[in-house]
Amino acid sequence: NAGVTQTPKFQVLKTGQSMTLQCAQDMNHEYMSWYRQDPGMGLRLIHYSVGAGITDQGEVPNGYNVSRSTTEDFPLRLLSAAPSQTSVYFCASSYWGQAYEQYFGPGTRLTVT
Amino acid sequence: KQEVTQIPAALSVPEGENLVLNCSFTDSAIYNLQWFRQDPGKGLTSLLLIQSSQREQTSGRLNASLDKSSGRSTLYIAASQPGDSATYLCAVWRDYKLSFGAGTTVTVRA
Repeated sequence: NAGVTQTPKFQVLKTGQSMTLQCAQDMNHEYMSWYRQDPGMGLRLIHYSVGAGITDQGEVPNGYNVSRSTTEDFPLRLLSAAPSQTSVYFCASSYWGQAYEQYFGPGTRLTVT
Repeated sequence: KQEVTQIPAALSVPEGENLVLNCSFTDSAIYNLQWFRQDPGKGLTSLLLIQSSQREQTSGRLNASLDKSSGRSTLYIAASQPGDSATYLCAVWRDYKLSFGAGTTVTVRA
């Protein structure tokens, strides 16, 4: 199993551009989520999904969209990038049968200039 | 809103000393608590998960305890090694949301 994979690893955007961060898992986990990690602020939940076709907002959802059309994939869309969205983004997945133990991807480092 | 606090923010110890990392949370109605390790520039690696009905979990040199009623967890790392140098994060799970502490950065000096 590849586990949780994220692409790209690094990305530089100009203010106002849009892009999609990809996240995929091959463990048949029904739960997937996105976090951002900023210095001194820890990880904060952006959006999450409890299954295909179901998404909900986390702590910091503004400026981000998600969809979940398959169990495996959970892309995160930045609609109009802002410098405040410069961060490291992590995707995670889990399964109720493992007490929702979270498995994280390697992260995407995003810089918005 | 769940608040998770980790004290101290940083810790430096000589090799061989036991490490004690603390985590506290404000809302005791959690489903589980998870400890992670994060190396610089890397993702999070799960170390231990304690379900709300459990008091502790052990894996090798690592032992984590949970006192849900007082909102506290402690991660013990026995006989620390330079390879244990990393940031350790605790996180609590409730209502499909994981709330993180800011982490404790550990340096083990050879």
